[in-house]
Amino acid sequence: EIVLTQSPGTLSLSPGERATLSCRASQSVSSSYLAWYQQKPGQAPRLLIYGASSRATGIPDRFSGSGSGTDFTLTISRLEPEDFAVYYCQQYGSSPPVTFGPGTKVDIK
Amino acid sequence: EVQLVESGGGLVKPGGSLRLSCEASGFTFSSYSMNWVRQAPGKGLEWVSSISSSSSYIYYADSVKGRFTISRDNAKNSLYLQMNSLRAEDTAVYYCARARTYQGYCSSTSCPDAFDIWGQGTMVTVSS
Repeated sequence: EIVLTQSPGTLSLSPGERATLSCRASQSVSSSYLAWYQQKPGQAPRLLIYGASSRATGIPDRFSGSGSGTDFTLTISRLEPEDFAVYYCQQYGSSPPVTFGPGTKVDIK
Repeated sequence: EVQLVESGGGLVKPGGSLRLSCEASGFTFSSYSMNWVRQAPGKGLEWVSSISSSSSYIYYADSVKGRFTISRDNAKNSLYLQMNSLRAEDTAVYYCARARTYQGYCSSTSCPDAFDIWGQGTMVTVSS
């Protein structure tokens, strides 16, 4: 089973700053089958990035994903007030078919 | 509007059963793999089960294998999760989610796809 580790657990930043979130896999993720989701309190998750670096429909270009193999990164170039949330990475290529990371909370400093 | 609406959650005693439903609208349901994901109170996301578009492939997390059954009725645009032998640790919000790719590929091990549309979730509480 592929285990995903996210760091840091919490990231305290101010609006306008750059956020860099890390997701590390215990084994190589097949074909970069790695996604990132944003979740706000009381809401369902929202897909941000799939295939490690492709933005989902309607996602602003301040969100970008990169990486391959076992190391992946989500970058938010300039934080907007609505970006403060919890972010999860997900691998969807290996058995068990899907695993999620524990999440990184981005909160206001 | 593309939409998923879950129903069927509630309070159930340990050992009991519950059937969740997810009604899809606004897209060709029969052409997409579908998934269930849960989130215990204050915790992260946990994948539960997936089913391919024609029900040919079905996958379960080890934590629910043998207790939960996923199914779909493409004629009714609906996804289901039959949950038996419920435990306290099954307490969570249960989300249904659509796989991103129209007529996406599936194999014996997975339907490798991200989840692009999510329902609002339905709460399941297992307690005596």
